[in-house]
Amino acid sequence: EPEVTQTPSHQVTQMGQEVILRCVPISNHLYFYWYRQILGQKVEFLVSFYNNEISEKSEIFDDQFSVERPDGSNFTLKIRSTKLEDSAMYFCASQQTQETQYFGPGTRLLVL
Amino acid sequence: KQEVTQIPAALSVPEGENLVLNCSFTDSAIYNLQWFRQDPGKGLTSLLLIQSSQREQTSGRLNASLDKSSGRSTLYIAASQPGDSATYLCAVSSNTGKLIFGQGTTLQVKP
Repeated sequence: EPEVTQTPSHQVTQMGQEVILRCVPISNHLYFYWYRQILGQKVEFLVSFYNNEISEKSEIFDDQFSVERPDGSNFTLKIRSTKLEDSAMYFCASQQTQETQYFGPGTRLLVL
Repeated sequence: KQEVTQIPAALSVPEGENLVLNCSFTDSAIYNLQWFRQDPGKGLTSLLLIQSSQREQTSGRLNASLDKSSGRSTLYIAASQPGDSATYLCAVSSNTGKLIFGQGTTLQVKP
């Protein structure tokens, strides 16, 4: 069964460093999302992406964040200058039409 | 602003019991509602999706209902098993696709 994959599974970085989180969505899906879950808190929407552009972003998704679909298969989330409060589990999701969203296993990001 | 609440926050039941998890949302203008399962430290597994025009969906021992006008959904788990132990998340979607999640109900099924 097709699934969403994410790399790396864990990332430790120093505050102020740039990180890139990678996702490979399900191949025939058209809509792509990033969410995050700070430990003990709700899963929060960050950004949605369709037709090679951002379709919606949350207040969390400020100028430090960017997304890209560089080659038609990967979907990346970049954080330019990480802060301590960026420590969280980051989930990628994809969707064929506006129905079920399928989530990847997540990348656990720890900013020191 | 859409808010999603799940009650109870935690639930412990003996194996074999039927149980109901509750989800409520403040804005009834939803596109669909999805129930997920999350194991500790893992990703989210989609269990059921209910379109806003539907009243319920069933998959195996799981049955989800939706009452859009009152802003409520329930997830019914029949004949619970220890393998059902996990956190169950409810999420509502607007027509933009964005999911708004509840805090989850952590279920423990004791053998």
